[in-house]
Amino acid sequence: DSGVTQTPKHLITATGQRVTLRCSPRSGDLSVYWYQQSLDQGLQFLIQYYNGEERAKGNILERFSAQQFPDLHSELNLSSLELGDSALYFCASTAGQLNTEAFFGQGTRLTVV
Amino acid sequence: QKEVEQDPGPLSVPEGAIVSLNCTYSNSAFQYFMWYRQYSRKGPELLMYTYSSGNKEDGRFTAQVDKSSKYISLFIRDSQPSDSATYLCAMINTDKLIFGTGTRLQVFP
Repeated sequence: DSGVTQTPKHLITATGQRVTLRCSPRSGDLSVYWYQQSLDQGLQFLIQYYNGEERAKGNILERFSAQQFPDLHSELNLSSLELGDSALYFCASTAGQLNTEAFFGQGTRLTVV
Repeated sequence: QKEVEQDPGPLSVPEGAIVSLNCTYSNSAFQYFMWYRQYSRKGPELLMYTYSSGNKEDGRFTAQVDKSSKYISLFIRDSQPSDSATYLCAMINTDKLIFGTGTRLQVFP
């Protein structure tokens, strides 16, 4: 158990809908990263938050947004969903802004039908 | 051009073989280099990390970094069927933790 909790584990929704994925980092970790992993694709970096502030942005679509709350949990919001958004979404946490060991949650599997 | 390139495989080897997994990168600003292992449908877990050029050994695993060539490797000695997984290289550039696409490894008995 990595200590990072992601909910829900599975999500099935229709095109055009909006969903929210939740991540609770390891106790004491201030940084949260979000990644998308499509079938046969690597981990695509979406966005990083550190202590409530956005620190780095990857290839995140405008339809996607995220935030980190004062209690350090983070949410990834996906809207106007398309079939191509079906993927595994992982959250990882690290203690600091620049840290060598990121701990990953078990992921949320999103299926858009 | 992707910042990190990794051959997706799959790589299939017999038990006991030495496995070599590699990544190349384009940005010389990368500072830390890591290897993660991901079993099917699970989150990646850190195997090893290195900072400088050279080798780092941990049991059956050896990580190698050549900053001048922008090339990193992971060697697995005496490979076991339990090593069958996807191996992802990763590196840090300022605040971004960037992953390769992963190489799928299968070790057959």
